[in-house]
Amino acid sequence: DIQMTQSPSSLSASVGDRITITCRASQIINNYLNWYQHKPGEAPKLLIHSSSSLESGVPSRFSGSGSGTDYTLTISSLQPEDFAIYYCQQSYTTLLTFGGGTRVEIK
Amino acid sequence: QVQLVQPGAEVKKPGASVKVSCKASGYTFTNYGVSWVRQAPGQGFEWMGWISGYSGKTKYVEKFQGRITMTTDTATSTAHMELRSLTFDDTAMYFCARDRGVYGDYLLPDYWGQGTLVSVSS
Repeated sequence: DIQMTQSPSSLSASVGDRITITCRASQIINNYLNWYQHKPGEAPKLLIHSSSSLESGVPSRFSGSGSGTDYTLTISSLQPEDFAIYYCQQSYTTLLTFGGGTRVEIK
Repeated sequence: QVQLVQPGAEVKKPGASVKVSCKASGYTFTNYGVSWVRQAPGQGFEWMGWISGYSGKTKYVEKFQGRITMTTDTATSTAHMELRSLTFDDTAMYFCARDRGVYGDYLLPDYWGQGTLVSVSS
């Protein structure tokens, strides 16, 4: 199984801040990396697939990048509705695995 | 709009089975698959498996092999996930998700349901 390691596990930030979340795979995954946003009690939402492809309707302040084993999710200017838990997930194999999540909290 | 509707909660005793439904709407059911993901309290997401809405082909995570069955009813655009021989460790929120993979060579859950809380309690 491919292990996905996210960091940090949590962060505190203010509205307007730029934040970056990182995700490292235990092997090369060739950009088969997806990012989800989850607000407890709601359905998780796919933000980005294939490392950098923004899903339709997702604000452009979200962006993804990376290659090989290392990937990042960046929110350029944090908005109140962005406080949530973010998960990376690999689709390189058909045994899907997720990172442990990054909780983004209000400072 | 794409919607996946799941029941809110189920309570089961250890050793029992649970069958969670997932009714899809807003898209052609047979053009996509359905992935099932669970989240234990305070934990991250654990992918359990996938079923093709087109062929009924399934993929299951090895740890669930032998006690999980995923099925679809194309007439009602509904997917089901049955988990048998429940233990306390199976207490979790169970999510279904539309999956862009219909043949099983590439999987990408995109739209998710709100989840069904399965509580295993004596």
